[in-house]
Amino acid sequence: QVQLVESGGGVVQPGRSQRLSCAASGFTFSNFAIHWVRQAPGKGLEWVALISYDGSKKKYADSVKGRFTISRDNSDNTLYLQMNSLKAEDTAVYFCARVPAAAREGVAYYFDYWGQGTLVTVSS
Amino acid sequence: EIVLTQSPATLSLSPGERATLSCRASQSVSNYLAWYQQKPGQAPRLLIYDTSNRATGIPARFSGSGSGTDFTLTISSLEPEDFAVYYCQQRSSWPPAFGQGTKLEIK
Repeated sequence: QVQLVESGGGVVQPGRSQRLSCAASGFTFSNFAIHWVRQAPGKGLEWVALISYDGSKKKYADSVKGRFTISRDNSDNTLYLQMNSLKAEDTAVYFCARVPAAAREGVAYYFDYWGQGTLVTVSS
Repeated sequence: EIVLTQSPATLSLSPGERATLSCRASQSVSNYLAWYQQKPGQAPRLLIYDTSNRATGIPARFSGSGSGTDFTLTISSLEPEDFAVYYCQQRSSWPPAFGQGTKLEIK
């Protein structure tokens, strides 16, 4: 079955960096675009970033543009989110989420499978 | 950027009752709207896509309707496991925005 497992969360000081990972299994990872979506404590969902199936297309929310970088390793079935210059408002649970194969080129779409999320807390 | 507004913020109902949740878009999203269910400590689960199509494994008591800017998620007869937070999401344009959520609680 499709599985997405995030890791790399924790407590980090403002201005520092953190890298999140998302390990995929149960499907052909290299055929699917993957997104990061976050949820601040007690708040709603916020889309963060997208990477197309082959890594050629990347898009970011304005709130993280220039600070976060999404990447993938299709040989290892792993997605990454490099987060630099972290701010308190980046505190959230970060989910990786797959979109159906029809959206593999990197278009806005629905999220059919989600990981359980990893909590990033930005605090001094 | 399209903004989605959900109402009500909280809906208090009893098992067996009918639930009607609304999502309004700041501009037309055609029929490109989805609904998710999220329970505490869990990831969201896709319920409905493209306004009215149920995702795999979703019970028939969940249905969606609407077009343009006004959309509705209906749960025909509430089961105990249906009490959760529900989000709408549009894919008409970037970014793929979510509504702020409706909490469906037991009365």
